[in-house]
Amino acid sequence: AQSVAQPEDQVNVAEGNPLTVKCTYSVSGNPYLFWYVQYPNRGLQFLLKYITGDNLVKGSYGFEAEFNKSQTSFHLKKPSALVSDSALYFCAVRDELMDSSYKLIFGSGTRLLVRP
Amino acid sequence: DSGVTQTPKHLITATGQRVTLRCSPRSGDLSVYWYQQSLDQGLQFLIQYYNGEERAKGNILERFSAQQFPDLHSELNLSSLELGDSALYFCASSVEGGGPSATQYFGPGTRLLVL
Repeated sequence: AQSVAQPEDQVNVAEGNPLTVKCTYSVSGNPYLFWYVQYPNRGLQFLLKYITGDNLVKGSYGFEAEFNKSQTSFHLKKPSALVSDSALYFCAVRDELMDSSYKLIFGSGTRLLVRP
Repeated sequence: DSGVTQTPKHLITATGQRVTLRCSPRSGDLSVYWYQQSLDQGLQFLIQYYNGEERAKGNILERFSAQQFPDLHSELNLSSLELGDSALYFCASSVEGGGPSATQYFGPGTRLLVL
């Protein structure tokens, strides 16, 4: 079965410093990986996805993610954190249901706190 | 703004009652997915509809049901509500059947509180 794990419940970083939010995956077949962000009282917002191709995926709001097949990881990164990046981040993997239909399996989420 | 709308934003009801959550997908998207976010279970897939037909079921209770109408909006019906049904319910949509490269775009959610 497909799964993702987010080993850190919370990540603290100072504004202006680089940030990394970790995600590891376990899949059979090709991995299709996603990052979403959830701000307080808001829905899930899509950040980026890895389907195939370049291991470095660029997404919204200056975020990028590095796909590493040997380490089965898909870590979310940003070179310079902003206080406004403080939110709950979810890693997800696409799981095939049937007839080319898919659902997302989410990790437990990592709360990012960027201090001024 | 993802283009997916959900109503109502908040819902407070009592145990044993029935509620209906509504979702309108992004323009052009034929697939609608329902997810539940709770503190103990995290984010879990409930059910998918594609162009009016049920496509797949996940961890959806028998007390819950959904449908997708000809105008592609979807409703999630929750009945005989229990305290444990209190959660944030998300709707998402994607193009076509949601192939491997399709992104699911989420609505703002409906927060259900069962008292």
